[in-house]
Amino acid sequence: EILLTQSPATLYLSPGERATLSCRASQNIDYFLAWYQQKPGQPPRLLIYDASNRASGIPVRFSGSGSGTDFTLTISSLEPEDFAVYYCQQRGNSITFGPGTRLEIK
Amino acid sequence: QVQLVESGGGVVQPGGSLRLSCAASGFTFSRYGIHWVRQVPGKGLEWVAAISYDAIKREYQDSVRGRFTISRDNSRNTLSLQMNSLRPEDTGLYFCARDRKEDHGINYFDRWGQGTVVTVSS
Repeated sequence: EILLTQSPATLYLSPGERATLSCRASQNIDYFLAWYQQKPGQPPRLLIYDASNRASGIPVRFSGSGSGTDFTLTISSLEPEDFAVYYCQQRGNSITFGPGTRLEIK
Repeated sequence: QVQLVESGGGVVQPGGSLRLSCAASGFTFSRYGIHWVRQVPGKGLEWVAAISYDAIKREYQDSVRGRFTISRDNSRNTLSLQMNSLRPEDTGLYFCARDRKEDHGINYFDRWGQGTVVTVSS
């Protein structure tokens, strides 16, 4: 099973700042990685797929990069509605999710 | 608009059974693979099972294989998950989620239901 680790576990930032979230895979998964955002009481929302492609309707401030084992989700300038939990998910070998990064207001 | 609505959750004793359903609308259900993903309250996400658009291919996470069965009825736009021999660790919020790509799918999830809660406890 491919394990995904996310760092940091919690990130404290202010609106307007840049957020950088990391996801590392235990094996090479090429570019087969997605990012999701989840707010309390809501299901996850697909943000990025295949490492760097924005899903439909996702603002341009969200971007993804990486390949192989190391991936990054960047939010260029945080809006108040961006404070949530972010999960990465791989489909390179079966399907697994990372434990999540909680993005909180500083 | 695209909607997925889960039902069938509840409280069941260890060793018991439960059948979850997912009603789909707002898209051509028969063209998409559908997945079940669960979430332990306050914790992360875990993929459970998937079924291809034509029901030919079914896949399961190792911990549920042999106990859970995923099925679909394309004439009724519904998905089901039959869960047998339930364990406390099966407790969670169960989401049905649509594959992002039609037909053979690519195992990313672009539409989700609100989930139904399963509690396995004596």
